[in-house]
Amino acid sequence: GNSVTQMEGPVTLSEEAFLTINCTYTATGYPSLFWYVQYPGEGLQLLLKATKADDKGSNKGFEATYRKETTSFHLEKGSVQVSDSAVYFCALRGERANSKLTFGKGITLSVRP
Amino acid sequence: DTGVSQNPRHKITKRGQNVTFRCDPISEHNRLYWYRQTLGQGPEFLTYFQNEAQLEKSRLLSDRFSAERPKGSFSTLEIQRTEQGDSAMYLCASSLEGGAGSEQFFGPGTRLTVL
Repeated sequence: GNSVTQMEGPVTLSEEAFLTINCTYTATGYPSLFWYVQYPGEGLQLLLKATKADDKGSNKGFEATYRKETTSFHLEKGSVQVSDSAVYFCALRGERANSKLTFGKGITLSVRP
Repeated sequence: DTGVSQNPRHKITKRGQNVTFRCDPISEHNRLYWYRQTLGQGPEFLTYFQNEAQLEKSRLLSDRFSAERPKGSFSTLEIQRTEQGDSAMYLCASSLEGGAGSEQFFGPGTRLTVL
Protein backbone atom coordinates (compact mmCIF):
# COMPACT_ATOMS: atom_id res chain seq x y z
CA GLY A 1 0.00 0.00 0.00
CA ASN A 2 0.89 3.67 -0.09
CA SER A 3 3.07 5.15 2.65
CA VAL A 4 4.83 8.39 3.52
CA THR A 5 7.94 8.72 5.67
CA GLN A 6 8.97 12.02 7.21
CA MET A 7 12.19 12.83 9.01
CA GLU A 8 12.08 12.66 12.79
CA GLY A 9 11.44 15.83 14.69
CA PRO A 10 11.04 18.21 16.31
CA VAL A 11 13.08 20.83 14.49
CA THR A 12 14.15 24.10 16.11
CA LEU A 13 15.69 26.87 14.03
CA SER A 14 16.64 30.48 14.46
CA GLU A 15 14.80 33.10 12.41
CA GLU A 16 16.20 33.48 8.87
CA ALA A 17 17.74 30.00 8.89
CA PHE A 18 17.38 27.63 5.93
CA LEU A 19 14.80 24.88 6.32
CA THR A 20 14.68 21.39 4.82
CA ILE A 21 12.12 18.81 5.88
CA ASN A 22 12.60 15.43 4.24
CA CYS A 23 9.74 13.37 2.88
CA THR A 24 9.89 10.12 0.93
CA TYR A 25 7.04 7.99 -0.28
CA THR A 26 6.09 4.53 -1.47
CA ALA A 27 3.30 4.24 -4.03
CA THR A 28 2.54 2.56 -7.31
CA GLY A 29 2.25 4.64 -10.43
CA TYR A 30 2.15 8.41 -10.24
CA PRO A 31 0.65 9.76 -7.03
CA SER A 32 0.00 13.43 -6.32
CA LEU A 33 2.05 14.88 -3.48
CA PHE A 34 1.10 17.50 -0.91
CA TRP A 35 2.43 19.41 2.06
CA TYR A 36 -0.14 20.40 4.67
CA VAL A 37 0.54 22.72 7.61
CA GLN A 38 -1.20 22.98 10.96
CA TYR A 39 -0.63 26.22 12.84
CA PRO A 40 -1.24 26.22 16.61
CA GLY A 41 -4.95 26.06 17.36
CA GLU A 42 -5.94 25.81 13.69
CA GLY A 43 -6.98 23.10 11.25
CA LEU A 44 -4.91 21.51 8.49
CA GLN A 45 -4.24 23.78 5.52
CA LEU A 46 -2.79 22.91 2.16
CA LEU A 47 0.63 24.54 1.80
CA LEU A 48 1.63 23.32 -1.66
CA LYS A 49 1.22 20.42 -4.05
CA ALA A 50 2.68 18.74 -7.13
CA THR A 51 0.81 16.35 -9.38
CA LYS A 52 3.50 14.98 -11.69
CA ALA A 53 7.19 14.20 -11.74
CA ASP A 54 9.56 17.22 -11.76
CA ASP A 55 6.72 19.61 -10.84
CA LYS A 56 7.66 22.18 -8.22
CA GLY A 57 5.02 23.34 -5.78
CA SER A 58 5.52 26.67 -4.07
CA ASN A 59 3.69 28.93 -1.63
CA LYS A 60 4.61 31.48 1.05
CA GLY A 61 8.33 31.07 0.26
CA PHE A 62 8.17 27.27 0.68
CA GLU A 63 9.07 24.97 -2.21
CA ALA A 64 9.05 21.23 -2.88
CA THR A 65 9.95 19.31 -6.06
CA TYR A 66 8.36 15.98 -7.02
CA ARG A 67 11.31 13.64 -7.58
CA LYS A 68 10.15 10.37 -9.07
CA GLU A 69 13.65 8.87 -9.27
CA THR A 70 14.22 9.27 -5.52
CA THR A 71 10.52 9.06 -4.52
CA SER A 72 10.94 12.26 -2.55
CA PHE A 73 9.14 15.56 -1.97
CA HIS A 74 11.37 17.52 0.41
CA LEU A 75 10.09 20.84 1.74
CA GLU A 76 12.47 23.83 1.71
CA LYS A 77 12.43 27.48 2.67
CA GLY A 78 15.34 29.83 2.36
CA SER A 79 14.63 32.00 5.38
CA VAL A 80 12.17 30.92 8.06
CA GLN A 81 10.18 33.27 10.23
CA VAL A 82 8.74 32.88 13.72
CA SER A 83 5.29 32.72 12.10
CA ASP A 84 6.32 29.51 10.29
CA SER A 85 6.25 27.63 13.60
CA ALA A 86 3.74 24.83 13.03
CA VAL A 87 3.36 21.12 12.35
CA TYR A 88 4.08 20.08 8.76
CA PHE A 89 2.62 16.96 7.15
CA CYS A 90 3.68 15.37 3.89
CA ALA A 91 0.90 13.46 2.12
CA LEU A 92 0.16 11.61 -1.08
CA ARG A 93 -2.90 10.66 -3.03
CA GLY A 94 -2.94 7.72 -5.38
CA GLU A 95 -3.57 7.89 -9.09
CA ARG A 96 -7.30 7.45 -8.79
CA ALA A 97 -8.80 10.93 -8.46
CA ASN A 98 -11.04 9.88 -5.58
CA SER A 99 -8.27 8.28 -3.55
CA LYS A 100 -7.77 9.10 0.08
CA LEU A 101 -4.81 11.07 1.39
CA THR A 102 -2.05 9.10 3.08
CA PHE A 103 -0.12 11.24 5.57
CA GLY A 104 3.27 11.08 7.20
CA LYS A 105 3.58 11.45 10.96
CA GLY A 106 4.21 15.17 10.79
CA ILE A 107 7.08 17.22 12.12
CA THR A 108 6.94 20.14 14.53
CA LEU A 109 8.93 23.21 13.51
CA SER A 110 9.76 25.87 16.10
CA VAL A 111 11.43 29.07 14.95
CA ARG A 112 12.98 31.24 17.63
CA PRO A 113 13.57 34.98 17.22
CA ASP B 1 -18.90 30.21 2.82
CA THR B 2 -16.63 29.95 5.83
CA GLY B 3 -15.20 26.51 5.15
CA VAL B 4 -15.73 23.08 6.64
CA SER B 5 -17.32 23.09 10.08
CA GLN B 6 -17.48 20.33 12.66
CA ASN B 7 -19.53 19.92 15.80
CA PRO B 8 -18.95 19.48 18.61
CA ARG B 9 -15.35 20.63 18.87
CA HIS B 10 -14.79 18.58 22.00
CA LYS B 11 -16.56 15.54 23.38
CA ILE B 12 -15.86 13.72 26.62
CA THR B 13 -17.72 10.48 27.15
CA LYS B 14 -17.58 7.38 29.28
CA ARG B 15 -16.57 4.04 27.89
CA GLY B 16 -19.53 2.19 26.43
CA GLN B 17 -21.51 5.29 25.48
CA ASN B 18 -22.45 6.21 21.93
CA VAL B 19 -21.30 9.47 20.35
CA THR B 20 -22.19 11.24 17.12
CA PHE B 21 -20.20 13.93 15.32
CA ARG B 22 -21.39 16.21 12.56
CA CYS B 23 -19.53 17.68 9.59
CA ASP B 24 -20.80 20.44 7.30
CA PRO B 25 -18.68 20.61 4.14
CA ILE B 26 -18.14 23.57 1.86
CA SER B 27 -21.51 23.90 0.17
CA GLU B 28 -20.61 23.10 -3.43
CA HIS B 29 -18.26 20.21 -2.58
CA ASN B 30 -19.57 16.79 -3.52
CA ARG B 31 -16.84 14.76 -1.83
CA LEU B 32 -16.53 14.32 1.92
CA TYR B 33 -13.84 12.46 3.85
CA TRP B 34 -13.43 11.40 7.48
CA TYR B 35 -9.98 10.94 9.03
CA ARG B 36 -8.78 10.12 12.54
CA GLN B 37 -5.66 11.61 14.09
CA THR B 38 -3.99 10.40 17.28
CA LEU B 39 -1.29 12.24 19.18
CA GLY B 40 2.00 12.38 17.32
CA GLN B 41 0.59 10.81 14.17
CA GLY B 42 -0.70 12.06 10.88
CA PRO B 43 -4.38 11.76 9.98
CA GLU B 44 -5.54 8.29 8.94
CA PHE B 45 -8.33 7.77 6.42
CA LEU B 46 -11.60 6.33 7.70
CA THR B 47 -14.21 6.71 4.96
CA TYR B 48 -15.24 8.76 1.94
CA PHE B 49 -18.51 9.87 0.32
CA GLN B 50 -19.27 11.12 -3.13
CA ASN B 51 -22.59 12.90 -2.81
CA GLU B 52 -24.66 10.55 -0.62
CA ALA B 53 -22.84 7.36 -1.62
CA GLN B 54 -20.23 5.92 0.74
CA LEU B 55 -17.61 4.71 -1.73
CA GLU B 56 -14.70 3.58 0.41
CA LYS B 57 -14.15 2.47 3.99
CA SER B 58 -10.88 1.77 5.77
CA ARG B 59 -10.39 -1.41 7.72
CA LEU B 60 -9.86 0.97 10.65
CA LEU B 61 -13.62 1.54 10.54
CA SER B 62 -14.87 -1.28 12.74
CA ASP B 63 -18.53 -2.25 12.87
CA ARG B 64 -18.94 0.09 15.87
CA PHE B 65 -18.42 3.01 13.49
CA SER B 66 -21.04 4.19 11.03
CA ALA B 67 -21.09 7.21 8.79
CA GLU B 68 -23.88 8.73 6.76
CA ARG B 69 -24.34 11.60 4.38
CA PRO B 70 -28.05 11.95 3.72
CA LYS B 71 -28.91 14.03 0.67
CA GLY B 72 -25.24 14.56 -0.05
CA SER B 73 -24.88 17.53 2.28
CA PHE B 74 -23.74 17.23 5.92
CA SER B 75 -22.34 14.00 7.28
CA THR B 76 -22.48 12.26 10.64
CA LEU B 77 -20.02 9.82 12.17
CA GLU B 78 -21.37 7.66 14.98
CA ILE B 79 -19.29 5.52 17.30
CA GLN B 80 -21.21 2.95 19.32
CA ARG B 81 -19.98 1.43 22.59
CA THR B 82 -16.96 3.71 22.72
CA GLU B 83 -13.62 2.35 23.90
CA GLN B 84 -10.63 4.22 25.32
CA GLY B 85 -8.76 3.48 22.09
CA ASP B 86 -11.28 5.60 20.22
CA SER B 87 -9.87 8.74 21.87
CA ALA B 88 -8.55 10.85 19.01
CA MET B 89 -9.18 13.90 16.87
CA TYR B 90 -11.76 13.19 14.17
CA LEU B 91 -11.25 15.30 11.07
CA CYS B 92 -13.62 15.95 8.21
CA ALA B 93 -12.53 17.21 4.80
CA SER B 94 -14.36 18.08 1.60
CA SER B 95 -13.41 18.61 -2.01
CA LEU B 96 -14.81 19.16 -5.47
CA GLU B 97 -14.69 16.27 -7.90
CA GLY B 98 -11.71 16.89 -10.09
CA GLY B 99 -8.23 15.74 -11.01
CA ALA B 100 -5.71 14.08 -8.78
CA GLY B 101 -4.54 17.43 -7.46
CA SER B 102 -7.95 18.47 -6.17
CA GLU B 103 -7.50 20.03 -2.77
CA GLN B 104 -9.17 18.61 0.31
CA PHE B 105 -10.25 21.32 2.74
CA PHE B 106 -10.17 20.29 6.37
CA GLY B 107 -12.40 21.25 9.25
CA PRO B 108 -11.09 22.05 12.76
CA GLY B 109 -11.84 18.56 14.02
CA THR B 110 -13.74 17.03 16.92
CA ARG B 111 -11.57 15.91 19.82
CA LEU B 112 -13.00 12.80 21.50
CA THR B 113 -11.90 11.71 24.95
CA VAL B 114 -13.20 8.39 26.22
CA LEU B 115 -12.82 7.96 29.97
